[in-house]
Amino acid sequence: GAVVSQHPSWVICKSGTSVKIECRSLDFQATTMFWYRQFPKQSLMLMATSNEGSKATYEQGVEKDKFLINHASLTLSTLTVTSAHPEDSSFYICSARNPQGVTEAFFGQGTRLTVV
Amino acid sequence: AQSVTQPDIHITVSEGASLELRCNYSYGATPYLFWYVQSPGQGLQLLLKYFSGDTLVQGIKGFEAEFKRSQSSFNLRKPSVHWSDAAEYFCAVGAGYGGSQGNLIFGKGTKLSVKP
Repeated sequence: GAVVSQHPSWVICKSGTSVKIECRSLDFQATTMFWYRQFPKQSLMLMATSNEGSKATYEQGVEKDKFLINHASLTLSTLTVTSAHPEDSSFYICSARNPQGVTEAFFGQGTRLTVV
Repeated sequence: AQSVTQPDIHITVSEGASLELRCNYSYGATPYLFWYVQSPGQGLQLLLKYFSGDTLVQGIKGFEAEFKRSQSSFNLRKPSVHWSDAAEYFCAVGAGYGGSQGNLIFGKGTKLSVKP
């Protein structure tokens, strides 16, 4: 089946620094990818929809200047958490849907971000 | 607004016993429904999905789910639980899935513990 790879699996960074998370579709082209955030013992909340070649669409309450999304190619979307703070510590997961008639979304393995 | 409710936060069953995880949804159109499983610190694995047709869908690992439109439910079942089934289970509805969207709305999840 289709594979979505997310990197890194975990990262620890200092407060005030920026962290980039990559999401790659390995065997299909994804014009749209999705970024979710999951707080401990909580559900996944959609943060933004990443569109190849255009600006991302952010959900209400998500700061676009803090969570920069770039979808520069059909197989790669990146999420950059800028000026990270401890409250940004969370589990971030991306997903992509193969537009060629496949109706399920494939998820990356997630990135555990810890800001100290 | 679309929403997914998983009434049970935590369920404990004995190994070999049957399992039913509840999911209710609120969605204006024909729902695209999913069940995912998440092991600690991991991404999401699709167990099964419902788009149309037979309301009883079979998934991987011996799971099945039944779509009941009259009850707005999509409960997950397994006749005999194995210790390896211990994980977090998420029900999700595809928001605008038939189009170019593909993002999912998740329930809060049900944590399954399995007693030996």
